[in-house]
Amino acid sequence: DAGVTQSPTHLIKTRGQQVTLRCSPKSGHDTVSWYQQALGQGPQFIFQYYEEEERQRGNFPDRFSGHQFPNYSSELNVNALLLGDSALYLCASSPHFIGEQFFGPGTRLTVL
Amino acid sequence: AQSVTQLDSHVSVSEGTPVLLRCNYSSSYSPSLFWYVQHPNKGLQLLLKYTSAATLVKGINGFEAEFKKSETSFHLTKPSAHMSDAAEYFCVVTLPNYGGSQGNLIFGKGTKLSVKP
Repeated sequence: DAGVTQSPTHLIKTRGQQVTLRCSPKSGHDTVSWYQQALGQGPQFIFQYYEEEERQRGNFPDRFSGHQFPNYSSELNVNALLLGDSALYLCASSPHFIGEQFFGPGTRLTVL
Repeated sequence: AQSVTQLDSHVSVSEGTPVLLRCNYSSSYSPSLFWYVQHPNKGLQLLLKYTSAATLVKGINGFEAEFKKSETSFHLTKPSAHMSDAAEYFCVVTLPNYGGSQGNLIFGKGTKLSVKP
């Protein structure tokens, strides 16, 4: 079992650009959550997807959007990048009605 | 609203001595509480979880935590630190979603544990 995988590992963008991050959940998991971890901080919840719909959302602007595909994989899109979007973006998957979230290694996004 | 406060941003211990990482929580309902560990360049790993069963919870690698409702605390302990325990530790609270699935995780700011030889 490969666990939760994320791509790319690292990414460098400039202000105003758009970025797409990808996540493949652990085998047997149907729910994907995304978190943003700024340097020196704990992760903050962005949103959660289940059955290809956004089910919960944290306090993030509409520039942050997502998608879940029929195979349960997910994308996080961020438009109009700001310097403050520089962070480690973590994806977590879980089986919907059991609960525990398993985390991927993250994508390190740097905005210049 | 739910929140967690990790009382120490950095804890340093010597190898073989006890570890205590402190966490207080705030929740309007009966929460689920977790401790996660994050090693450099690795994903977050669940150490242990409390979900309203036994108040003393045993986790992996010899860690345990005790849920104390009267003190709203969920401190993480280990009797004897090992060099490999050096990492960032996060206390986490959540509420279940409708249907029983796990809701969004609310993380504390983290405690960096250093272990000296």
